[in-house]
Amino acid sequence: ETGVTQTPRHLVMGMTNKKSLKCEQHLGHNAMYWYKQSAKKPLELMFVYSLEERVENNSVPSRFSPECPNSSHLFLHLHTLQPEDSALYLCASSQDITYEQYFGPGTRLTVT
Amino acid sequence: EDQVTQSPEALRLQEGESSSLNCSYTVSGLRGLFWYRQDPGKGPEFLFTLYSAGEEKEKERLKATLTKKESFLHITAPKPEDSATYLCAVQASEAGNMLTFGGGTRLMVKP
Repeated sequence: ETGVTQTPRHLVMGMTNKKSLKCEQHLGHNAMYWYKQSAKKPLELMFVYSLEERVENNSVPSRFSPECPNSSHLFLHLHTLQPEDSALYLCASSQDITYEQYFGPGTRLTVT
Repeated sequence: EDQVTQSPEALRLQEGESSSLNCSYTVSGLRGLFWYRQDPGKGPEFLFTLYSAGEEKEKERLKATLTKKESFLHITAPKPEDSATYLCAVQASEAGNMLTFGGGTRLMVKP
């Protein structure tokens, strides 16, 4: 595996379900990010981790819960989502927070 | 508040017809401006970083330039495979070095 990988690529969940998105980076980077991409809206930064410490939480609802167990892995735990949470969720990594970010392919989430 | 505006929202070109995409920004303490390419159903792919006014970067048919208020992505003699959404993002030290993205320009190149 190279670059940034994300699983699953597609996810359909009901509003009462609990699921997790996984991201893994194979670039030796120290910072990892979660973004939300909705139709007709710019990319929205959700969470940032640098050296496994959360450094940014962009007023994200508590139904989204990130976890960064080490510098290569990032999770986004989802519970009791709303239909408006349906979007493409992108993970990215960078050497540190001042460098360019490299994105994974995203998870297309549909909340029914 | 940092703002990034891209224009046009969509651009249709014939193959070989050169044009430019615009990214205008309002930010305090610009550290860098980034260009990305995004194909449908995929994550953004990094293209360039520009750090100071007057800087230029080139890659194949793409050339990015930067002034104090805007950046241009010039596409010379585009091919259909250049069709994608092009995103720009600014990084500001006063925003904790986080990226603020524009809405993107969807480019379609017809053969």
